[in-house]
Amino acid sequence: AQSVTQLDSQVPVFEEAPVELRCNYSSSVSVYLFWYVQYPNQGLQLLLKYLSGSTLVKGINGFEAEFNKSQTSFHLRKPSVHISDTAEYFCAVRIQGAQKLVFGQGTRLTINP
Amino acid sequence: DTAVSQTPKYLVTQMGNDKSIKCEQNLGHDTMYWYKQDSKKFLKIMFSYNNKELIINETVPNRFSPKSPDKAHLNLHINSLELGDSAVYFCASSQGAGVKNTEAFFGQGTRLTVV
Repeated sequence: AQSVTQLDSQVPVFEEAPVELRCNYSSSVSVYLFWYVQYPNQGLQLLLKYLSGSTLVKGINGFEAEFNKSQTSFHLRKPSVHISDTAEYFCAVRIQGAQKLVFGQGTRLTINP
Repeated sequence: DTAVSQTPKYLVTQMGNDKSIKCEQNLGHDTMYWYKQDSKKFLKIMFSYNNKELIINETVPNRFSPKSPDKAHLNLHINSLELGDSAVYFCASSQGAGVKNTEAFFGQGTRLTVV
C-alpha cells in the first residue's frame, strides 16, 4: 500500500523568505502526486499536481514542486512567502488507476512578519 | 457557482442522535468521496462512489451509511452518534481515475461536534 510522509509538522518562516515543505512517499507502483492547501476553516484547494512529464511542476500562488523518483520525494517550494501563505499544506498520492487519495499528515506553515 | 457544496457547514448534536450531511457537485464528475479530518488534521478516505456505485469502503463503522441518489449527489448518514465521531467531514469529487483529471475537488467541510 502507498503511504505519504511529510517530514515537518510545523514550519515557521519570516515573510519574504524562501520555504521548502518536504514530502516523501512510498509505493511499489507508479503514482500521481499532489499538493493541497487548507486555509483556516476552509476546504482543500489544489496547489499543483504531477502526473507525468517534466519533473518540475508549477502551481498557483507562486508555488512549485519537484518530483524525484529515485528519492521518492515531491518537495514543495516557494522563493518568497507572504503572510497570506499561512495555512496547512497536504501532500497526497494516488496510485495510477486507483480512486483514492492518500494524504500525508500535513505541514502547518506559519509566516512571521 | 460552488463546485462541491456541503450542508450544513456546522453541526452540533448529542450522543446517540442520527444526522445527515449532504453533498452536491456541479462539475459533471462521475466519482465522489467522503473524507474525515480528525482533530490532528489527518485526512482519511471513508467512502468512494463511482456513478452511484460504492467502490471504496475503508472499514468505516456500519453506523455510517453513504447514499448516492445520482452521480451529482453523495450524502452521509450517521446513526447513533458517538463522541469520537467529532471531526470535519469533507466531500470531494473527481473525474474517475483517468490520466488527465485525477485531482479531487473538495467541499468546504462540515464540522461535526458530538456532545
